[in-house]
Amino acid sequence: QKEVEQDPGPLSVPEGAIVSLNCTYSNSAFQYFMWYRQYSRKGPELLMYTYSSGNKEDGRFTAQVDKSSKYISLFIRDSQPSDSATYLCAMKKGGSYIPTFGRGTSLIVHP
Amino acid sequence: EADIYQTPRYLVIGTGKKITLECSQTMGHDKMYWYQQDPGMELHLIHYSYGVNSTEKGDLSSESTVSRIRTEHFPLTLESARPSHTSQYLCASSAPDRGGDTEAFFGQGTRLTVV
Repeated sequence: QKEVEQDPGPLSVPEGAIVSLNCTYSNSAFQYFMWYRQYSRKGPELLMYTYSSGNKEDGRFTAQVDKSSKYISLFIRDSQPSDSATYLCAMKKGGSYIPTFGRGTSLIVHP
Repeated sequence: EADIYQTPRYLVIGTGKKITLECSQTMGHDKMYWYQQDPGMELHLIHYSYGVNSTEKGDLSSESTVSRIRTEHFPLTLESARPSHTSQYLCASSAPDRGGDTEAFFGQGTRLTVV
């Protein structure tokens, strides 16, 4: 079993939809949770960074962590075609500098 | 935008050739990393460095080697390229520890094809 599971998609939604992207994990030692966005032929860029359980909001993006269920989510409101990319979840144990990545979910927002 | 640069962006090379993928960052980050990424698959850590003269192998076995002679420079070398090395290679760096809040900045990647 992989430490981090993420459905690769693709997930196709119409412009304006609310998008929900999810990851599950098996290692309860993970304390830091991140979402990266990767456009085609580019490197990943950090979108959201959360510590422990709870919600964090940044503009149209909301990251949610449920440590009891070992489940994290990224919500995108009012999705735009420019949001079309691969979204990778990543997580780190306390005291570690090295994240474990999911395989990424490909999101397509069509006009 | 992150100041981390990878060259070349694309490379097609013959089997058996020696290649070096360059990675430089101007942010003064002490930690640097090399990841391998195949389409639709996870990023796999192949090498990392916590500072000058410090290098470690990552989780994914790799025939490549790295060096860290200067803080800003972390090149990756393949002594004899093989078709199985065809992949995207991503370099990243992160700042000194701020209580766990260490964001990794990625370069644009080098897409390597070995024919």
